[in-house]
Order: sequence, then C-alpha cells, then structure tokens
Amino acid sequence: AQTVTQSQPEMSVQEAETVTLSCTYDTSESDYYLFWYKQPPSRQMILVIRQEAYKQQNATENRFSVNFQKAAKSFSLKISDSQLGDAAMYFCAYRFAYSGAGSYQLTFGKGTKLSVIP
Amino acid sequence: DAGVTQSPTHLIKTRGQQVTLRCSPISGHKSVSWYQQVLGQGPQFIFQYYEKEERGRGNFPDRFSARQFPNYSSELNVNALLLGDSALYLCASSNIQGGYTFGSGTRLTVV
Repeated sequence: AQTVTQSQPEMSVQEAETVTLSCTYDTSESDYYLFWYKQPPSRQMILVIRQEAYKQQNATENRFSVNFQKAAKSFSLKISDSQLGDAAMYFCAYRFAYSGAGSYQLTFGKGTKLSVIP
Repeated sequence: DAGVTQSPTHLIKTRGQQVTLRCSPISGHKSVSWYQQVLGQGPQFIFQYYEKEERGRGNFPDRFSARQFPNYSSELNVNALLLGDSALYLCASSNIQGGYTFGSGTRLTVV
C-alpha cells in the first residue's frame, strides 16, 4: 500500500521569507502523480501544484515550486515570498498514474500547518 | 462555471441515526470521490464512482454506502452513526484520470 508521510506537523515563516515543507512517500509503482493541496480555514482543498513522476523537471507555479527526488521518494514544497494568505494546512498527496478499471484515489499525508508571521 | 457543490454544509445527528450527504460535480466531470477528514488528519478515501459504477472503496465499514446518479451527482449514506463518524466529508469531482476539484465539505457532528 502507498503511504505518504509529512514529518512537520507545524511550521512558521516570516512574511516575505521562504519556507520548505517536507513530504516522503512509499510506492512500488514507477508512474504516479504527486500533489500539494492547501486547505485554509474555509475547508476547501485547493490544488497548489502537481508533479508527474515521469517528468524530471520540477514543477513550478508562481511562488510555489517543488523539489522532486524520485529515487529518494521525496517531494518537498517551497514557498517563496510568503504572504499572509499562505497560512493554511498543506497536504501532500499521491495517486497512481494508471489504474485500469480501478480507482484513482488520492492518498494524503497528515498535513503541515503553516503559520505566516507579519 | 459552478464548482463542486456539497450539501448540507453542517449537520448534527444523534448516535444510531442515518445521514445522507450530497454532491454535485463540476459540469462535464463524470467521476465523484468521497473522503472523510477527521480533525487534525489528512482526508481518507471512502469511495470513487465513475459513470454510475463504483470504481473503488476505502477501508470503511458497510455502514457507509454511496451511489451516483445519471446526472453524475452523488450521495453518501452513513447508517447507524457512531461518535467516531464525526468528521468533515469532502467530495471531489474529476474526469477519472484528471485532476481533482474539491467541494467545501459537509461538517458532520454526531452527538
């Protein structure tokens, strides 16, 4: 079974600074997707960034970027120029790339609570 | 376009009762998935439906059931509620292999 581990229950960062959230995962598959989701107090899960395992290039979305280390099964999220609106729970998630007639379920980590200090 | 719509947003039930949660996916999405998120934890997969057929089921008891309708909306039913069923229930819609869009969830409290 696939597992996703986020070892940092809480992190804090000064406004305008950079912070990195860690995620490791375990899988025997070679092709899969990894995601970072943000969950503010409004509860809705918002996709931050997505990485396809077959792509060596790290994904980037504006101030958000990832460091994907496939051999180490590591997938960290870097937030640059942190803003007050970045404060939220952040979840790392994994999904099979191809499941045939099976499900395409997401497996989530336990999350990291990010606080942004003005 | 409307996002994923879930109803109700909050509800309180008594132990032993039954509850039905509803989800309307994004227009054009044929897959709906349900997740349970207990306070302080990441979401746990309950069900995925695609084209009205169950594609997958997580490690949840038979008290949990779901279905998908011809318009791709979905209902999640939980029977014989336990205190431990108190959680945020999230619905996500997708085009089976595509990215997921989540609703804002239904907060269920069992007393």
